Amino acid sequence: DGGITQSPKYLFRKEGQNVTLSCEQNLNHDAMYWYRQDPGQGLRLIYYSQIVNDFQKGDIAEGYSVSREKKESFPLTVTSAQKNPTAFYLCASSMTGLHTDTQYFGPGTRLTVL
Amino acid sequence: DQQVKQNSPSLSVQEGRISILNCDYTNSMFDYFLWYKKYPAEGPTFLISISSIKDKNEDGRFTVFLNKSAKHLSLHIVPSQPGDSAVYFCAASALTAAGNKLTFGGGTRVLVKP
Repeated sequence: DGGITQSPKYLFRKEGQNVTLSCEQNLNHDAMYWYRQDPGQGLRLIYYSQIVNDFQKGDIAEGYSVSREKKESFPLTVTSAQKNPTAFYLCASSMTGLHTDTQYFGPGTRLTVL
Repeated sequence: DQQVKQNSPSLSVQEGRISILNCDYTNSMFDYFLWYKKYPAEGPTFLISISSIKDKNEDGRFTVFLNKSAKHLSLHIVPSQPGDSAVYFCAASALTAAGNKLTFGGGTRVLVKP
């Protein structure tokens, strides 16, 4: 059963702490992405990776970091430098990094900073 | 600077009737467009896409129309069903060296009344 998994579904963090969100895919996709959604808004791209051991900043990368050591995994770390970390975080993947490849999304992680 | 806009935040339609969702874009480099459907606290689900070489693409109850000169696309859902009640996002991408970066609109919430 192929797909994208994100864990945990809900995450709570104290202000000033770093937290890592997990994203795993078994679709054999080369490219992976992290988006953030705020209430009433569209998705905004945080980071993306077209291939293992390579990644690029998206539109709102400040306060976030990623790694891509394995094809199937693309964890996102929300650091204490991120000023407004409370949001719904979505991971996606696509077959390749071509701009006509459909991106498929995981179920999301809701992060709340207390 | 919102490059992709969905000017109607919400839409209410009777079951069995047509739902028409609109999306405008400003970046003339966009040449591939997608529509996603999203339920609360879940990841977006891909619905349908269209390349700029076409002006229409149809898949079952869903049809997307593209008017390049007006930089406008629309999604028609016929007939609308209660299960179609969700938030719909349009997204656009362009062929760039940066790869597959999607730019999303703010979403339109659709309510289908029985």
